[in-house]
Amino acid sequence: DAKTTQPTSMDCAEGRAANLPCNHSTISGNEYVYWYRQIHSQGPQYIIHGLKNNETNEMASLIITEDRKSSTLILPHATLRDTAVYYCIVNTNAGKSTFGDGTTLTVKP
Amino acid sequence: KAGVTQTPRYLIKTRGQQVTLSCSPISGHRSVSWYQQTPGQGLQFLFEYFSETQRNKGNFPGRFSGRQFSNSRSEMNVSTLELGDSALYLCASSPKFDRGFNYGYTFGSGTRLTVV
Repeated sequence: DAKTTQPTSMDCAEGRAANLPCNHSTISGNEYVYWYRQIHSQGPQYIIHGLKNNETNEMASLIITEDRKSSTLILPHATLRDTAVYYCIVNTNAGKSTFGDGTTLTVKP
Repeated sequence: KAGVTQTPRYLIKTRGQQVTLSCSPISGHRSVSWYQQTPGQGLQFLFEYFSETQRNKGNFPGRFSGRQFSNSRSEMNVSTLELGDSALYLCASSPKFDRGFNYGYTFGSGTRLTVV
């Protein structure tokens, strides 16, 4: 499985867009990019996933670079409830992945 | 609909004992995965079951085992508990398992195991 690199922590002002980067330079052609988040004392929550095209759902947008070596998760209007640890995972099977340390996003009023 | 249910929520065991944790997936979900989460190691994959068969296994010793029943409910067992087994154990379910690609996992809130 490809390894991912994420910043340890980020801050974002409430109501602004939160852009969370992830590097996955060793990604292979059949590996998907998944994003999950974990709010304190809860299980991880699936956010979005993609292969090569940009994706959008009701929670977020996923922007994948053309060479697929990096991606950005965008929360368009961050709220205090979006404060969580965000995990970027690259794998053919998200159920088998090791999640890593993720990015702790703190949304501030 | 009900989410993934894990029982018990909290557990304290003594070194050398064994423990069984339970996971009830979302109705209709047939794939169940187990993870161990510790502050030092992050969230690590233990194993995955689909249709009562173990499909994938992580890099954990044989003390960690699991099974899945015909109703898709799953249990994991840890024998001869060690202090390092103290962790949050998470279960996740998904509706399908297709050629090794699976997505949209829904996690439970976990069982926090403390070994003393």
